[in-house]
Amino acid sequence: QSALTQPASVSGSPGQSITISCTGTSSDVGGYNYVSWYQQHPGKAPKLMIYGVTNRPSGVPDRFSGSKSGNTASLTISGLQAEDEADYYCSSYTTTSPVIFGGGTQLTVL
Amino acid sequence: QITLKESGPTLVKPTQTLTLTCTFSGFSLSTSGVGVGWIRQPPGKALEWLALIYWDDDKRYSPSLKSRLTITKDTSKNQVVLTMTNMDPVDTATYYCAPRWGSWFDPWGQGILVTVSS
Repeated sequence: QSALTQPASVSGSPGQSITISCTGTSSDVGGYNYVSWYQQHPGKAPKLMIYGVTNRPSGVPDRFSGSKSGNTASLTISGLQAEDEADYYCSSYTTTSPVIFGGGTQLTVL
Repeated sequence: QITLKESGPTLVKPTQTLTLTCTFSGFSLSTSGVGVGWIRQPPGKALEWLALIYWDDDKRYSPSLKSRLTITKDTSKNQVVLTMTNMDPVDTATYYCAPRWGSWFDPWGQGILVTVSS
């Protein structure tokens, strides 16, 4: 099964909002509300930012939000800060496998 | 506080079998609904899910790697072991373990970089 599709890179200036998309199919993203998002800084382990499409774990700033429309999930970061610069990965449950990841998106804060 | 740590060899030769151990604290794999998974990341590349084991010993594997993987648990020791056979240089990656709650992994271990080279 192919990875979920994410843009390779996105960028934004401090204070702005950016959105990272994660496109799948009706067999994964579109079929279940089981999308999660992970942030990974260079040399570090991934960190959970969003689960169940829209839920933020305790400690994650409310600048981070998740949504889904059809087969595409999105992570929005508002009020962009320098420390948000990282790689972001989406993940979903699928009909044939409990886990599939996206290809990752590199976020640059200009 | 939940912590996990991956351990095992950092260098293996092609065709060898890799055995990695995930030792965790702060939760129990005997708790209903809980799982532990393995995920890897080749240098500069994306995350790739490998395997999952649940509290009831249900085991799931990546379809593309299923023939090479075995995941087991020792609940009394709070450990999950992953074995991968017939290692190849393309398997060079950082290997992570993480608990699975519902449909997400949180938190992740620090990872262990495994290099496959003769």
